[in-house]
Amino acid sequence: EAGVTQFPSHSVIEKGQTVTLRCDPISGHDNLYWYRRVMGKEIKFLLHFVKESKQDESGMPNNRFLAERTGGTYSTLKVQPAELEDSGVYFCASSHRGTGLEAFFGQGTRLTVV
Amino acid sequence: GENVEQHPSTLSVQEGDSAVIKCTYSDSASNYFPWYKQELGKGPQLIIDIRSNVGEKKDQRIAVTLNKTAKHFSLHITETQPEDSAVYFCAASKNTGFQKLVFGTGTRLLVSP
Repeated sequence: EAGVTQFPSHSVIEKGQTVTLRCDPISGHDNLYWYRRVMGKEIKFLLHFVKESKQDESGMPNNRFLAERTGGTYSTLKVQPAELEDSGVYFCASSHRGTGLEAFFGQGTRLTVV
Repeated sequence: GENVEQHPSTLSVQEGDSAVIKCTYSDSASNYFPWYKQELGKGPQLIIDIRSNVGEKKDQRIAVTLNKTAKHFSLHITETQPEDSAVYFCAASKNTGFQKLVFGTGTRLLVSP
């Protein structure tokens, strides 16, 4: 069974540009989460999807961040326009809806805004 | 909201020694406490977890203890091996059927041969 897959693994963009991160969860997992780790600090929750619906987006920093999960399969996280403070590692995780407990993480996307 | 503190930030041990990482949490409603191991270039991987109705859980060389009264929980690794070297994160959440994990800042463990 394939794990959670994220694309790209690394991205370097200039301030003001747009970047889109993609996450493919484990097949059949209804729960999909986005987290972010900035500059060696703690991993922080961004938002949670149940299928295609946003269940909790309380961790989204501001309206420059837009997450979608059309069709309830893969998800994208767009940052537009990117700022220097958006640099960090963005993790996606997924879990079964029924048990919901164990979240499986992808390898992350390292975003650097210069 | 929940706040999780983790110590130490770095930990160096000799192969075969034990390693202990400690976390404290602030929200007494938290009832699920997983530990994740992140190796270089990989995402966090769950290694052990504990729920608030249990005081201790063990899986081979790793164990986790939970003190609900004091609101702290710890990861214990015995007979450490070089492959245990990684960053370890503790986390806490309220088990409501899905996870909104609040993580600690991570501990970099280095096991020297």
